[in-house]
Amino acid sequence: RKEVEQDPGPFNVPEGATVAFNCTYSNSASQSFFWYRQDCRKEPKLLMSVYSSGNEDGRFTAQLNRASQYISLLIRDSKLSDSATYLCVVNAPAGGKLIFGQGTELSVKP
Amino acid sequence: SAVISQKPSRDICQRGTSLTIQCQVDSQVTMMFWYRQQPGQSLTLIATANQGSEATYESGFVIDKFPISRPNLTFSTLTVSNMSPEDSSIYLCSVGWGYNEQFFGPGTRLTVL
Repeated sequence: RKEVEQDPGPFNVPEGATVAFNCTYSNSASQSFFWYRQDCRKEPKLLMSVYSSGNEDGRFTAQLNRASQYISLLIRDSKLSDSATYLCVVNAPAGGKLIFGQGTELSVKP
Repeated sequence: SAVISQKPSRDICQRGTSLTIQCQVDSQVTMMFWYRQQPGQSLTLIATANQGSEATYESGFVIDKFPISRPNLTFSTLTVSNMSPEDSSIYLCSVGWGYNEQFFGPGTRLTVL
């Protein structure tokens, strides 16, 4: 089983749609969780951290379910500029390293 | 966050040669890491660059192939040694503070012929 698994993509959605990405992680001792965004031929950039209580940043909402070891990202009112690969990232319990999911590609069409 | 630069941004190298990639941060950071992203793949951690001591390598990566230096809290280098076409990849450094989020440099795109 992979340490971090994401929905396989790609997701092709029209502008204005709501899209949800799901992610599961295998190590129950993991403490920190993130969503990164990676544009084509660019480095990953932090989109948001994910907290146990859930958190929202504008059109983006992240949820964490520790019991199910499940993380989600919801994007409302999709924009063309949201087109990118979204990476679910979990911080390993020891050593501070990040473990990346394989990424889910999102393409928002006019 | 931090401003991170990498040199070179890209290079095309011959088989059997070595390339050293530099990572410079504009502020002191606790942790620096080196990742590889192969075409169409996600990121894989190569090693944690430890200031003043040997790097900590992940399974599948060895010091002889990927020697790393970290002479201070703002700078690190990764060398890709005795390159083969399989080493063609994007190499990224990242920085962080403890167990929090990390910030990435722009990457070095390496092609080995």
